[in-house]
Parts: sequence; C-alpha cells; structure tokens
Amino acid sequence: GAVVSQHPSWVICKSGTSVKIECRSLDFQATTMFWYRQFPKQSLMLMATSNEGSKATYEQGVEKDKFLINHASLTLSTLTVTSAHPEDSSFYICSAIPAAPRTDTQYFGPGTRLTVL
Amino acid sequence: QKEVEQDPGPLSVPEGAIVSLNCTYSNSAFQYFMWYRQYSRKGPELLMYTYSSGNKEDGRFTAQVDKSSKYISLFIRDSQPSDSATYLCAMIRGMYSGGGADGLTFGKGTHLIIQP
Repeated sequence: GAVVSQHPSWVICKSGTSVKIECRSLDFQATTMFWYRQFPKQSLMLMATSNEGSKATYEQGVEKDKFLINHASLTLSTLTVTSAHPEDSSFYICSAIPAAPRTDTQYFGPGTRLTVL
Repeated sequence: QKEVEQDPGPLSVPEGAIVSLNCTYSNSAFQYFMWYRQYSRKGPELLMYTYSSGNKEDGRFTAQVDKSSKYISLFIRDSQPSDSATYLCAMIRGMYSGGGADGLTFGKGTHLIIQP
C-alpha cells in the first residue's frame, strides 16, 4: 500500500527557533501533498496544499511567512515552522495523493508532534 | 455553524455491540465522504470511502451517506476492544473540482471506547 512517512516523529524546541518537518511518500510519487494541524481533542485543520514545483496554497488564517512549505520533488515536501512560539505546539500531519494512476485518496503520514518551550 | 459537526463523545459500548457514528455537514458541494480511524498520537487511517449518497460495506464496517439530509454514518458490527480509537469523518467537494486537488474537511472526531 501507499506509505507516507514523516520526520521527525516528535520535536521539542525553544521559542524563537525554526523547525523543519519532512513528509515523504515512500513507494509512490505525489504531485500534491497537504499539511494539516491538529490541536488536542480538535479536528485536523488544513493548513496548506503543496504542489510539486510550484508555490504552496495556504488556507485563510495561516501565515505563509511563518509556515514555509517546499515541495522540491515528487516524493518530498517540507514544512518549516519559523520563529516557533508555544502556541505553535501541535500535531502536524501531512498527506499525499499519488500522481498516477489518478486517484482521489489521500494517504496520511504518522504525524509530527511539535512542542515549543 | 461549522462545516462539519461530529459529537466528540466519548462513546462507550460493550464488546460485541453495534456502534453508530455520525456527522452532519452544511456544504452541499461535498461529494466524497470518508471515515478515518486515528489512534492516539498517530496519523489517520482510511477506513471507508464513499461517493455521493448510498451505502458501502466492508467487513464489519458500513458507511451510509444521505446527501438530502447532509448526514453520514459509520456502523461497526461486532465491535472489538481493538476498535477503540477516535473516528473522524472527512469530506471533500472533489479531489480535482477546482482543477487541483482539495484538502479534506474533517469533523472533530468521536472518541470510541469498546469495553471488554
């Protein structure tokens, strides 16, 4: 089956530092990847859509300068949380859609838990 | 009004019972409906996927969609303790409705506990 990995699985950082989270599709190529954020006991909220070779599309209310997304290849998208603050502490989850055959199923990664001190 | 409403629970039932989970939504443009299972501190796992109104069965799981009522359900038969998890409904207009892929709109999730 389609497998999506995320690295790291958890990270603790100091306020003001930047953190990079990787999302990889291990056995398929993905032209589109999505980044979601989930606060405790809350739903997954779409943050941005990442398309290979183009700029990411951010949802309303998500600061593009704070959450930098790079989708440099068909198997890798990265989310960088810049100048992280405690309110950025959350569970970040990516998903990917296989490029071929054309499908409408998103495969989710295991998530990255970010704690900002 | 939120786009997708889902009772967060917890919902506690005895082992072997039939579980009924449901969501309501407000956006009539949603056409694809999914149910995901999420264990604590893990990513969501796709359980069921349906398009438009109707029923779909897969083993112990049955998904129902009633677009006229904007109401979707997931039934779990012969529930097992291993089914204890958070169940999230999700929906989308269409993966390529706008020319590009759309992200999913999730419900808050229902925390299900199956008592042995």
